Amino acid sequence: KNEVEQSPQNLTAQEGEFITINCSYSVGISALHWLQQHPGGGIVSLFMLSSGKKKHGRLIATINIQEKHSSLHITASHPRDSAVYICAVRANTGNQFYFGTGTSLTVIP
Amino acid sequence: DVKVTQSSRYLVKRTGEKVFLECVQDMDHENMFWYRQDPGLGLRLIYFSYDVKMKEKGDIPEGYSVSREKKERFSLILESASTNQTSMYLCATLSLGAFPTYEQYFGPGTRLTVT
Repeated sequence: KNEVEQSPQNLTAQEGEFITINCSYSVGISALHWLQQHPGGGIVSLFMLSSGKKKHGRLIATINIQEKHSSLHITASHPRDSAVYICAVRANTGNQFYFGTGTSLTVIP
Repeated sequence: DVKVTQSSRYLVKRTGEKVFLECVQDMDHENMFWYRQDPGLGLRLIYFSYDVKMKEKGDIPEGYSVSREKKERFSLILESASTNQTSMYLCATLSLGAFPTYEQYFGPGTRLTVT
């Protein structure tokens, strides 16, 4: 079973398009993270959310705790946004993190 | 800035070899994790440690062991490497600030190939 489900698995967009990546989870959480992984393996944390909405530049993340769902939006997408985006949740018991399988985004110029 | 370093970026080993992957962090974080990442399966937890000499099994501990003798260093050991352990291995730490300020930090990863 997967505690965290992401969709879509793969996404190709034209430069400038608005992009949405979805994450649903089934466990009780204390926080949800959106991570970005570029080719070469390095993972960086984009957002940590426990409620509501956060915005960093062209990136927006929202979470609905009641529906156990989060979305990551990228406005005015750019080829440098091409990466794998991973949703991760921290269970509200213990130190366990659960990860989605990632969404591979390719933005074409 | 938190720094999490891993001993090798790329490693090639033969079946049956004992393999050590080292992870070092410089921020005095209590919790450290080893994950493997495979296409289509995402990140899966192998082991984690919440203190020196303490360890807990994750989702896929079989074929692995860990060692945490010092707070800053968490080692992953493949006792007898097999080809199905070819993967990207990622180390991470977790800071335990007051909620919700905790954050997980990842190392650059070690791509291990077992031939």
